[in-house]
Amino acid sequence: QLQLQESGPGLVKPSETLSLTCTVSGGFVSTTSYYWAWIRQPPGKGLEWIGSVYYGGSTYYNPSLKSRVTISMDTSNNHFSLELTSMTAADTAVYYCARLRGSVAWHWGQGTLVTVSS
Amino acid sequence: EIVLTQSPGTLSLFPGERATLSCRASQSVTSSNLAWYQQKPGQAPRLVIYAASSRATGIPDRFSGSGSGTDFTLTISRLEPEDFAVYHCQQYGSSPYSFGQGTKLEIK
Repeated sequence: QLQLQESGPGLVKPSETLSLTCTVSGGFVSTTSYYWAWIRQPPGKGLEWIGSVYYGGSTYYNPSLKSRVTISMDTSNNHFSLELTSMTAADTAVYYCARLRGSVAWHWGQGTLVTVSS
Repeated sequence: EIVLTQSPGTLSLFPGERATLSCRASQSVTSSNLAWYQQKPGQAPRLVIYAASSRATGIPDRFSGSGSGTDFTLTISRLEPEDFAVYHCQQYGSSPYSFGQGTKLEIK
């Protein structure tokens, strides 16, 4: 049974960098069949695609966030990560990791709330 | 960027009724690359429909998707209590992938 679990700080100060990790169990990030993605949802609002990573290092980022985002993969620890720099209050959201098949998010983590506040 | 507009914003229906949710795109969605997700309070979204009309694994056949181009519809033929949730559409045919703002399906 595939499971994805987000981890990281729940509170980040403005201008700081957010680092989140998605640990995968019941599957391997190194499989060539899937991409792995980060998606976020501000409180009470809709979903926003952040970006995705594929085994081998190929990445895709939402152009609206591209200058601040890095998504990477660690196959030895079977996880992938998100870094988002220069955080502001507008980045306050629940951050989800997901496994993609054909660019569709078939499996999701439970999500982690990140609040940006001093 | 393709903007997806979902309507109505809120839909109030009784269990047993038929629900019709709309997702309209600002440009044609390539190859009907449109998905629908169901989200209940405090939970992650769950894939319901992909490729505009294909049901995801484990989704009951009362759920159906249709449409092409710029107009897509999610239909729930006979609402069960567990179907009341927020539904999001997503296009994945053009970069950047985008979501609609969601339709809340609530019990009347």
